[in-house]
Amino acid sequence: DAGITQSPRYKITETGRQVTLMCHQTWSHSYMFWYRQDLGHGLRLIYYSAAADITDKGEVPDGYVVSRSKTENFPLTLESATRSQTSVYFCASRGFGGDIQYFGAGTRLSVL
Amino acid sequence: GENVEQHPSTLSVQEGDSAVIKCTYSDSASNYFPWYKQELGKRPQLIIDIRSNVGEKKDQRIAVTLNKTAKHFSLHITETQPEDSAVYFCAASMTAGGFKTIFGAGTRLFVKA
Repeated sequence: DAGITQSPRYKITETGRQVTLMCHQTWSHSYMFWYRQDLGHGLRLIYYSAAADITDKGEVPDGYVVSRSKTENFPLTLESATRSQTSVYFCASRGFGGDIQYFGAGTRLSVL
Repeated sequence: GENVEQHPSTLSVQEGDSAVIKCTYSDSASNYFPWYKQELGKRPQLIIDIRSNVGEKKDQRIAVTLNKTAKHFSLHITETQPEDSAVYFCAASMTAGGFKTIFGAGTRLFVKA
């Protein structure tokens, strides 16, 4: 589990600000994912990536941007934060040919 | 796309009793069904999974059953203990060439001592 880390763990920002959440994994996993977790909604997929420079939208991509220039990093950017983006964000990774997703510890984001 | 429904949203049982959580999925192409446990303030962690070529899988007090025809799968926890109290998520995904995992909304399990 220490192989996938998220930073920061907690973040408070204001509406309209740009925020970037970082995700780093040391397993060289091909696949990486960003989820948001809200009460009553479980885990909803925001974006995912199959490899470096390959990303695609999930269930709730609006207002978010991702990039993956290196296999080990998958940052998530909120270009202009809104209050509705207050949530807990989880990054996850999965190896090529594997099924199991491993989650990071999460980032709790509050947009005021 | 895939949709996963999970019931109940809250479940309260007495210590030692069994707990059952049920999920349904919509995409018949889904072939991998993991269950995650999330304790308060922690990350989700895989507790058991099942693939579509298997009808049942057991690991100590935890078992999962899958009915592909009905698109149902269930988690069974026997002899529940207070430390089983957590939120449980089911999920469905396609492993062959796919990588999107869709989660249910979660079940909050309370085990009363």
